Amino acid sequence: AQTVTQSQPEMSVQEAETVTLSCTYDTSESDYYLFWYKQPPSRQMILVIRQEAYKQQNATENRFSVNFQKAAKSFSLKISDSQLGDAAMYFCASQETSYDKVIFGPGTSLSVIP
Amino acid sequence: KAGVTQTPRYLIKTRGQQVTLSCSPISGHRSVSWYQQTPGQGLQFLFEYFSETQRNKGNFPGRFSGRQFSNSRSEMNVSTLELGDSALYLCASSLEGVEAFFGQGTRLTVV
Repeated sequence: AQTVTQSQPEMSVQEAETVTLSCTYDTSESDYYLFWYKQPPSRQMILVIRQEAYKQQNATENRFSVNFQKAAKSFSLKISDSQLGDAAMYFCASQETSYDKVIFGPGTSLSVIP
Repeated sequence: KAGVTQTPRYLIKTRGQQVTLSCSPISGHRSVSWYQQTPGQGLQFLFEYFSETQRNKGNFPGRFSGRQFSNSRSEMNVSTLELGDSALYLCASSLEGVEAFFGQGTRLTVV
């Protein structure tokens, strides 16, 4: 069964510093998709970054980057130069095929300290 | 370009009643998925529709149902509401079935 685990319920980071959120997953597929979603207090889920499993290069989006370790089934998110607006719940998620259900991890609550 | 619109934003219902939630996807998106978010269970997949057909369904009782119209708008219905159905219900639409865009959700409270 497809599962996603986030072992850090809460994290905090000083403004302008770097933080890494951890995620491990399990799937029987060789090609799949991985995502990090951000959910601020407004509850709007926002896609932060996505990674296709067949791509060896780690995805980056401005201050956000991932460390994708396919063999270890690990998918961590690094946020550089943290800003107050980064404070939110972060969900790691996986999807085995296009149009398939997305499985979410339990989330990591990130606080940014001014 | 308008985002995913969910109505209503907030809803209070009594146990035993039924409720219908609405979701209008981004223009051109034909796939609509529904998720339930609760503090205890997190985000759980309910079902996914594409071109008016339900293609995937999560592990929810038959009281949870949905449909999609020809304009891709989708509705979700919950009958015989229980206290445990109190949750944030999120709708997401997708163009290519991979990158999901979420609405702001409907907060359902069952009393």
